Amino acid sequence: DTAVSQTPKYLVTQMGNDKSIKCEQNLGHDTMYWYKQDSKKFLKIMFSYNNKELIINETVPNRFSPKSPDKAHLNLHINSLELGDSAVYFCASSHLGEDYGYTFGSGTRLTVV
Amino acid sequence: SQKIEQNSEALNIQEGKTATLTCNYTNYSPAYLQWYRQDPGRGPVFLLLIRENEKEKRKERLKVTFDTTLKQSLFHITASQPADSATYLCALETNAGKSTFGDGTTLTVKP
Repeated sequence: DTAVSQTPKYLVTQMGNDKSIKCEQNLGHDTMYWYKQDSKKFLKIMFSYNNKELIINETVPNRFSPKSPDKAHLNLHINSLELGDSAVYFCASSHLGEDYGYTFGSGTRLTVV
Repeated sequence: SQKIEQNSEALNIQEGKTATLTCNYTNYSPAYLQWYRQDPGRGPVFLLLIRENEKEKRKERLKVTFDTTLKQSLFHITASQPADSATYLCALETNAGKSTFGDGTTLTVKP
């Protein structure tokens, strides 16, 4: 059973389109995250939700909108995609305060053409 | 401004030797520091966490040290194996629950 699963794994789309990436975790964690990893492999946090409540919202264009219908799911919707949005997006989950670190999904490689 | 630096982009060592990776930070007061392993095309995998009041932590062939005076963490892999070849990331987490990652060091262990 995959602990943190993201779909799709690959996404190729044209500029200006709107797309969504879905994430689900079956670990019972209370916190979920979206990270962006660019071509230089630098991982940068975008959003964090704790029990469906937004707790971290980094400086991200408002074309990116996270949605957490319940604490096991955190989806990312991106409007009006731009070339610079091309990256790998990782979902992760954790229990705040526990010594187990984050559990990451396998990533969604988004390519905007 | 806040900064996390990992010692070098790439580190090559011979099988059996100890690999030592460095993570330096400035303008942070981390609650704890984590180390992750990332293989190509995969998500990072958690390895070890060390709290600000801990000096050292071990797990099998892995050892992490944390010096809050020097603002540095060292990550050691003893008796390294080719299967240890990967990119290793350090991450600082504050009490607010926000983690910031370094840009990683790619380790290659040659047989």
